[in-house]
Amino acid sequence: SQQGEEDPQALSIQEGENATMNCSYKTSINNLQWYRQNSGRGLVHLILIRSNEREKHSGRLRVTLDTSKKSSSLLITASRAADTASYFCGTGGFKTIFGAGTRLFVKA
Amino acid sequence: GAGVSQSPSNKVTEKGKDVELRCDPISGHTALYWYRQRLGQGLEFLIYFQGNSAPDKSGLPSDRFSAERTGESVSTLTIQRTQQEDSAVYLCASSLALAGGETQYFGPGTRLLVL
Repeated sequence: SQQGEEDPQALSIQEGENATMNCSYKTSINNLQWYRQNSGRGLVHLILIRSNEREKHSGRLRVTLDTSKKSSSLLITASRAADTASYFCGTGGFKTIFGAGTRLFVKA
Repeated sequence: GAGVSQSPSNKVTEKGKDVELRCDPISGHTALYWYRQRLGQGLEFLIYFQGNSAPDKSGLPSDRFSAERTGESVSTLTIQRTQQEDSAVYLCASSLALAGGETQYFGPGTRLLVL
């Protein structure tokens, strides 16, 4: 089974709204990473949060990590149509395991 | 090169034929990974290389799948006697090192269609 599980599976919002995606994992981690994928092609790394960090920001992205609940969230603020993509979380280590992703659709 | 490259971009083959997928990692990246992604699904880990060595091949779906890496650079994923179920996008990624979950840089993928 997948180490990382994202929810919701799909999310549709209006441009300007915030989008929140969640990720749960099963085993202990060194870090957790969020990636974005457009059109079923390669993933682009967005942000990495280490296990001793609780929150991290990068531009319009905010990531939180709760190691006690084995969960993370990705918040995209003031969303744009160009943010439409699939978002994946991956747990670090020798095999970075990805969940099925959240498909975000931002309507203009 | 500037990023990870993969070839071919698209491959259509007939059931039963063998295919070779190629990955050129970022220069200097010692770790290389192969994933499979079926339509609308998440990434399925196949194999990783640390240098030219593949310590864990347990992710390969069957013995029809094999991979090698030479010169700590190019890697080839070979699928023998392809089946329709092998149709997917095959993604390659590389990272500077393996330990600690280094950021992976992905190639654009090879879209394989087995007829």
